[in-house]
Amino acid sequence: NAGVTQTPKFRILKIGQSMTLQCTQDMNHNYMYWYRQDPGMGLKLIYYSVGAGITDKGEVPNGYNVSRSTTEDFPLRLELAAPSQTSVYFCASSSRRGHTEAFFGQGTRLTVV
Amino acid sequence: DAKTTQPPSMDCAEGRAANLPCNHSTISGNEYVYWYRQIHSQGPQYIIHGLKNNETNEMASLIITEDRKSSTLILPHATLRDTAVYYCIVRVWNNNAGNMLTFGGGTRLMVKP
Repeated sequence: NAGVTQTPKFRILKIGQSMTLQCTQDMNHNYMYWYRQDPGMGLKLIYYSVGAGITDKGEVPNGYNVSRSTTEDFPLRLELAAPSQTSVYFCASSSRRGHTEAFFGQGTRLTVV
Repeated sequence: DAKTTQPPSMDCAEGRAANLPCNHSTISGNEYVYWYRQIHSQGPQYIIHGLKNNETNEMASLIITEDRKSSTLILPHATLRDTAVYYCIVRVWNNNAGNMLTFGGGTRLMVKP
């Protein structure tokens, strides 16, 4: 049972480069989320999706884009990477049933230099 | 969502109960209390949640005061593997956003031999 899978686990980007962080879940969950976590801090929501074709901004969406073409996949796109985007990125999913747990991936550690 | 207050750090002896407090004095009637933990730099892991009754599962117990203004997460026999940051989160289920979570600073629990 894979759960939520994120790739890559680590990445170093140069300023101005772009990349896509991949997230896929095999639990048929409707809801998916992207968070970032800066050192010593709690997680902050970047974007979320309530189902295929529907996405919305979270607390810190600037500099990021998302798409949700399938239930399983929720990629996060970084355009024109900046040092401020150095962080650990977590993808999560949860089912449509109310008050259920969210399942998190193992994270992608991104460094922008 | 209601704001929560947790002590930044706590120690606990291995084998003893760990009692982690959380203050949520502005909680509203339809908000649930959730607990997650994050071990080292892994993705957060769901522990337990409740509305007003005490809850217990295989991982922990959740005690919510009668006025619901505070709660305590109890790990009955802490082990070294329970060393983690524990997050108390208060939120209402939202069909438009699912299980979107707001993470504060959490409590860093250190279980010592």
